[in-house]
Amino acid sequence: DIQMTQSPSTLSASVGDRVTITCRASQGISNYLAWFQQKPGKAPKSLIYAASILHGGVPSNFSGSGSATDFTLTISSLQPEDFATYYCQQYYRYPFTFGPGTTVDIK
Amino acid sequence: EVQLVESGGLVVQPGGSLRLSCAASGFTFDDYTMHWVRQVPGKGLEWISLISWDGASTNYGDSVRGRFTISRDNTKHSLFLQMNGLRSDDTAFYYCAKGHYSHSGTFDSWGQGTLVAVSS
Repeated sequence: DIQMTQSPSTLSASVGDRVTITCRASQGISNYLAWFQQKPGKAPKSLIYAASILHGGVPSNFSGSGSATDFTLTISSLQPEDFATYYCQQYYRYPFTFGPGTTVDIK
Repeated sequence: EVQLVESGGLVVQPGGSLRLSCAASGFTFDDYTMHWVRQVPGKGLEWISLISWDGASTNYGDSVRGRFTISRDNTKHSLFLQMNGLRSDDTAFYYCAKGHYSHSGTFDSWGQGTLVAVSS
């Protein structure tokens, strides 16, 4: 199975900060990488697919980049509603796998 | 608007069976791959299974293969997950998710989830 890791596991930030989360795959996955946001008690929300394409309705302060094994999710200016846990997912090879998550909390 | 509504979550004894359902609306159901994803409360996400638009192709995660069966009824716009041989580590929220049209291995919409608790 392809293992996904994320760093950091927790990130403390302030409104307006630029935030970067890293996701790494144990083997090359081309650009078959997605990002999700989850708030406590809620279902996940899809943010990005194909490493860098935003789903409809996702604010433009979110962006994704990377290919092969190394990927990043960037929030250019953190908003109050962005405090949440973020997961990456590879869908290059079965079984599809998620990273362990990165929690962005208030500094 | 896409809506996915899961149902069927219950408390069930180890070794028991359960069938989850997901009612879909707001999109052409039989055009899309569908998935099940689960989450142990307080933990991360785990992909469980997918089924192709026509039901001809399915795949499963290692932890559920041979015990769980995914199916769909396109005439009723419904997705199902038959869960047999349930174990305590199957306790989780189960989410139904709609596959993206061109990147069908990932999801663009999620249901609200249904809780399955396996306990004696």
